[in-house]
Amino acid sequence: QVHLQESGPGLVKASETLSLTCAVSGGSISTYSWSWIRQPPGKGLEWIGYIYWSGSINYNPSLKSRVTISKDTSKNHCSLKLSSVTAADTAVYYCARHFQYDSGVIDGFDPWGQGTLVIVSS
Amino acid sequence: QSVLTQPPSVSGAPGQRVTISCTGSSSNIGAGYDVYWFQQLPGTAPKLLIYGNSNRPSGVPDRFSGSKSGTSASLAISGLQAEDEADYYCQSYDSSLSGSYVFGTGTSVTVL
Repeated sequence: QVHLQESGPGLVKASETLSLTCAVSGGSISTYSWSWIRQPPGKGLEWIGYIYWSGSINYNPSLKSRVTISKDTSKNHCSLKLSSVTAADTAVYYCARHFQYDSGVIDGFDPWGQGTLVIVSS
Repeated sequence: QSVLTQPPSVSGAPGQRVTISCTGSSSNIGAGYDVYWFQQLPGTAPKLLIYGNSNRPSGVPDRFSGSKSGTSASLAISGLQAEDEADYYCQSYDSSLSGSYVFGTGTSVTVL
């Protein structure tokens, strides 16, 4: 059973770069596609971007200029970098594996990591 | 700002049936893209509840059902139980946003 674990600094200073890692266990990161999703405290979910099994990458247009998603197959993890952060980037950050089924048109997300809270301080 | 709109909250007594709507447009749900539903219990990560509009992953009780019609989708919970008190989110894909996955605004379900 695949397990995802996000890790990284819980506190980042405004204008700096947020860097998180999602460690995958119980499966190969090369076989599936992966997304990063965030949730500000008390608010809803926002998709940040994905990296497909093929290496193809796409980002939320609202974050595209500041986001970089990558993967390291040797370490079996994927990474998120978000530059020039502000207080609005304070959120719980989740990584999630893409869920596909036979006749599916688009992917869903399952499973999810437990999430990691990142607070942007001024 | 989410392109999928859900009611902020719904409530019901134990045993009752509640429904949650997810309203989109012709560039997402109406374009034929699948709708997924997630349940988020307090302090936990979202959990897949419904995939492909109306399918339940193994382990999800059949009290949960999903449907889709036109530019909207719905999640129904029948025989409401105290453990169903959670936030629920729909998710799809939007072709007008450079190909972005999108989530609904979220609905908080309260069991009275």
